[in-house]
This record gives sequence, structure tokens and C-alpha cells, in this order.
Amino acid sequence: GQQLNQSPQSMFIQEGEDVSMNCTSSSIFNTWLWYKQDPGEGPVLLIALYKAGELTSNGRLTAQFGITRKDSFLNISASIPSDVGIYFCAGQDTDKLIFGTGTRLQVFP
Amino acid sequence: NAGVTQTPKFRILKIGQSMTLQCTQDMNHNYMYWYRQDPGMGLKLIYYSVGAGITDKGEVPNGYNVSRSTTEDFPLRLELAAPSQTSVYFCASSYSGQGRGYTFGSGTRLTVV
Repeated sequence: GQQLNQSPQSMFIQEGEDVSMNCTSSSIFNTWLWYKQDPGEGPVLLIALYKAGELTSNGRLTAQFGITRKDSFLNISASIPSDVGIYFCAGQDTDKLIFGTGTRLQVFP
Repeated sequence: NAGVTQTPKFRILKIGQSMTLQCTQDMNHNYMYWYRQDPGMGLKLIYYSVGAGITDKGEVPNGYNVSRSTTEDFPLRLELAAPSQTSVYFCASSYSGQGRGYTFGSGTRLTVV
């Protein structure tokens, strides 16, 4: 089946640092999404991307839809402790989402 | 507005036992989904439904069954629990099937021993 690979698998950074993570697919998607999961909770949508090459921001978060439509990138600037969690990319496959393997982010003061 | 409610939050099952994971949404969403989350593996789709009376298999349906008799409820049934079904299960709903509108429940952590 379709597979989305995220890297890195985990990150340990200091508060105030910038973070970059990416997601690659063997298939083309027409919509890419980024979700965040806090411990013990379900994922929550951060950013949705609808066009190849699109760059979208949500506060300190910026995501890009790769021009090949097979990848996407998420950047977090000036990280803070509440950024801790697992970040998932997802590709829209008709009426369902295919999720990536996740990037676990730890932020140290 | 409760959103998506999953029960129970935690459950321990013995091998061979059966159980039903409950999922209810109060947003009048047509689309509902069941995902399982294994460590380091992301979320994998088990079953989904595009409306009452309609269900479809996802990526990992073996060992599970679902039904959708009402718009609000989408229970997931495990008939003969196996250790490989130890996981965290998430239910989600969507009005249009598009990713922007997914609402997730807070999950059910299931351990099979």
C-alpha cells in the first residue's frame, strides 16, 4: 500500500531553536496535511496544503507542498516547550487520509 | 459540543476474548474512520464509512469488524483478540471526507495479554 516516510524519526532540541522535518511518498497526493499529536490525545490539524509549490504559515509553523507532489516539509521557528509532541504528515487519498510514520519532538529548556 | 467520543479509554483483554470499541460523534458528519497507532508506525486505517449503512476496508482490516447503523455511531469489533492487536485506536469523523475537516477522538489504549 501507499507509504509516507517521515524524517527524522525523533528530534531533541533546545528551546528557541528552529526545527525542520519532511515527509516523502511513493505516490502523488493533491492535498498534504500536517497534524500534531499531544501525549494521550488524538491528532489535531496544523496546516493544510492544496497546490504544488504552495507555502503556508500558521504562526511559527510553515509548511510547503513539494513541486513533485510527492513530498512536503514542515518548519517550526523559535521552538517552545509546548511544541513537544508527535508531528504527522498525511496525504489525501480520495475520501481518506494516509498518515506518515511521525516525527517525535522533544524540547528542552 | 462533545465532538468525537471514544470509550473505553483503556482496556486489557485476554487472548481470544472479544470486545467492542465505541465511537460516537455529534457533529452530523457523514464520514467516519478507525485508525490504529503502533509505536513508530504512524496511523494505519482499519475501516471507514462514508455514511450510514456503508463501510469499507482500509489498509489493515483483518481481525476487525465494523457496522454503521446510524450517522452518529461507528463501533469497532474485535472478535478473537490477539497480541498483535495491542495498540492505540483512534476514531475520527469528517463532514466531507477531506483532511481539513477531520476530528479525532482521544483514543482507546488496548492491551492483549
